[in-house]
Amino acid sequence: QKEVEQNSGPLSVPEGAIASLNCTYSDRGSQSFFWYRQYSGKSPELIMFIYSNGDKEDGRFTAQLNKASQYVSLLIRDSQPSDSATYLCAVNVAAGNKLTFGGGTRVLVKP
Amino acid sequence: SAVISQKPSRDICQRGTSLTIQCQVDSQVTMMFWYRQQPGQSLTLIATANQGSEATYESGFVIDKFPISRPNLTFSTLTVSNMSPEDSSIYLCSVQLGNTIYFGEGSWLTVV
Repeated sequence: QKEVEQNSGPLSVPEGAIASLNCTYSDRGSQSFFWYRQYSGKSPELIMFIYSNGDKEDGRFTAQLNKASQYVSLLIRDSQPSDSATYLCAVNVAAGNKLTFGGGTRVLVKP
Repeated sequence: SAVISQKPSRDICQRGTSLTIQCQVDSQVTMMFWYRQQPGQSLTLIATANQGSEATYESGFVIDKFPISRPNLTFSTLTVSNMSPEDSSIYLCSVQLGNTIYFGEGSWLTVV
């Protein structure tokens, strides 16, 4: 079992709709959770991070964390074609702030 | 956030040669990391670059293949030694600032 798992997609979303991305992790000791966006040919850019159970909102993005069920999700509201990218879930599974990445979910927002 | 500069941004290398990638940060940081992203894959941590001591390598990565230097709190280098086509990847420097980890622009290496 992979430590961090994501559906590879592509997740096809109409413009203006909500894109919902999920990520599960295996280590119950994981402390912090990150979502990165990566455009083709570019390096990952941080969207947001979350540490506590519940929701965290930042603009059109909402991260949701459920440690009991070991999943973290990302909602993108009012999806735009510019949101078309690969979204990487990363988890801090050990001390030292090393990140373990999921395989990424490709999102395609269609006008 | 931090400004993280990597050099080179892109290179085409002959197999059997070595290439050193530089990472410069605009502020002092304790933790610096090197990741690899092979074509179509996600990111894999190569090593943690420790200032003043040897780097800590992840399983599957060895110092002879990926020697790392960290002479101060703003700079690190990663060398990819004796390159083969399997080393064609994006190599990413990352730093921890506060509770967050940021990435440089990456170095795109193609080995022919």
